[in-house]
Amino acid sequence: DAGVIQSPRHEVTEMGQEVTLRCKPISGHNSLFWYRQTMMRGLELLIYFNNNVPIDDSGMPEDRFSAKMPNASFSTLKIQPSEPRDSAVYFCASSLRQGGGNTIYFGEGSWLTVV
Amino acid sequence: DQQVKQNSPSLSVQEGRISILNCDYTNSMFDYFLWYKKYPAEGPTFLISISSIKDKNEDGRFTVFLNKSAKHLSLHIVPSQPGDSAVYFCAASPYGNKLVFGAGTILRVKS
Repeated sequence: DAGVIQSPRHEVTEMGQEVTLRCKPISGHNSLFWYRQTMMRGLELLIYFNNNVPIDDSGMPEDRFSAKMPNASFSTLKIQPSEPRDSAVYFCASSLRQGGGNTIYFGEGSWLTVV
Repeated sequence: DQQVKQNSPSLSVQEGRISILNCDYTNSMFDYFLWYKKYPAEGPTFLISISSIKDKNEDGRFTVFLNKSAKHLSLHIVPSQPGDSAVYFCAASPYGNKLVFGAGTILRVKS
């Protein structure tokens, strides 16, 4: 069975441009998470969905960030406009059910560099 | 305000010896704890977990210990192998809610 699939794997963009990261969760999983990894803060949860509905977006840094999950097999994380401090690895993850007591499975990440 | 803290950014251990990775948490509502391992250019992968009703869980060379009164957990790897070299993330969750991760500890196992 395929794991969590993310695209693009690498993105280099100029400051001010829009960035869209994509994620396909594991089939049958009903919870989806977006994390960001930085050297200083490790893995930060940005937002998570349960059954395609956003449950907690308190980790989204600011209004420049938005996420959608139009159906059970697809989610996007958009940054508009992008800034150099957004440079990080963005991970999508999914699980069979929300949070505690269950394992979440990560994709390989999208490496974003904003210059 | 980090609720899950891994105070050692890195750890270096000789092959065959024990590796001990530590994690502290502040939220007393956390009742499920996990360790993830991450290799460069890959996503984190689940390693081992423990619920708050236990104080120890073992899986092969990996053992996780939980001390609820101290709000502390540790991961022991015995014996350590060069392939264990990776970043290890501690994570915690209040039941039915999101996972909160620590900043990670880089483990280097020298042969």
